[in-house]
Amino acid sequence: DTEVTQTPKHLVMGMTNKKSLKCEQHMGHRAMYWYKQKAKKPPELMFVYSYEKLSINESVPSRFSPECPNSSLLNLHLHALQPEDSALYLCASSQTGLAGGADTQYFGPGTRLTVL
Amino acid sequence: SQQGEEDPQALSIQEGENATMNCSYKTSINNLQWYRQNSGRGLVHLILIRSNEREKHSGRLRVTLDTSKKSSSLLITASRAADTASYFCATGWLTTASKLTFGTGTRLQVTL
Repeated sequence: DTEVTQTPKHLVMGMTNKKSLKCEQHMGHRAMYWYKQKAKKPPELMFVYSYEKLSINESVPSRFSPECPNSSLLNLHLHALQPEDSALYLCASSQTGLAGGADTQYFGPGTRLTVL
Repeated sequence: SQQGEEDPQALSIQEGENATMNCSYKTSINNLQWYRQNSGRGLVHLILIRSNEREKHSGRLRVTLDTSKKSSSLLITASRAADTASYFCATGWLTTASKLTFGTGTRLQVTL
């Protein structure tokens, strides 16, 4: 199974809501990633978990809170978002999270988030 | 910014033609990868080339890497309508764990 799944596919939320995005992989990968992608732009890295520990936080605002309950699951908790946070949120996983980006990353289909 | 720059930003060709897109980056890298993204979907890994390699092939794809010029190119031969997508280069930096930085992307349109 080389699939990364993400739920939900679409999410609309108000600025006062709390919601969570979920990501799951069963490839035995030990590194998982959250990216944010605006229309016609490249993905921007938000967080990296390596062996279930947060290894990279790209200065993401605290209204985004990642969680890695186990090696197969990755959550992104959302609270008090702004309209400019509307984007495609992509999850990815890779085998080891090696230094220098030597891993191939496998991406999920993304969650399209709209903040009203 | 460590982000790679790609050109052209957009490319429109007819089926059967070859498509070439270029990626330039700013500092020394460990490896460079190419990914494809169909509209609004997740990215799919195409090929990885290491800093000590100059050329790599995979099916209809040919990737070159020139570390002296800090540039890479992706050639898609005999393009098909199904190749219509955005293509991104992504660089892995020598001193940064687990991090890929994506280039600006090339939007390829292949028409029948």
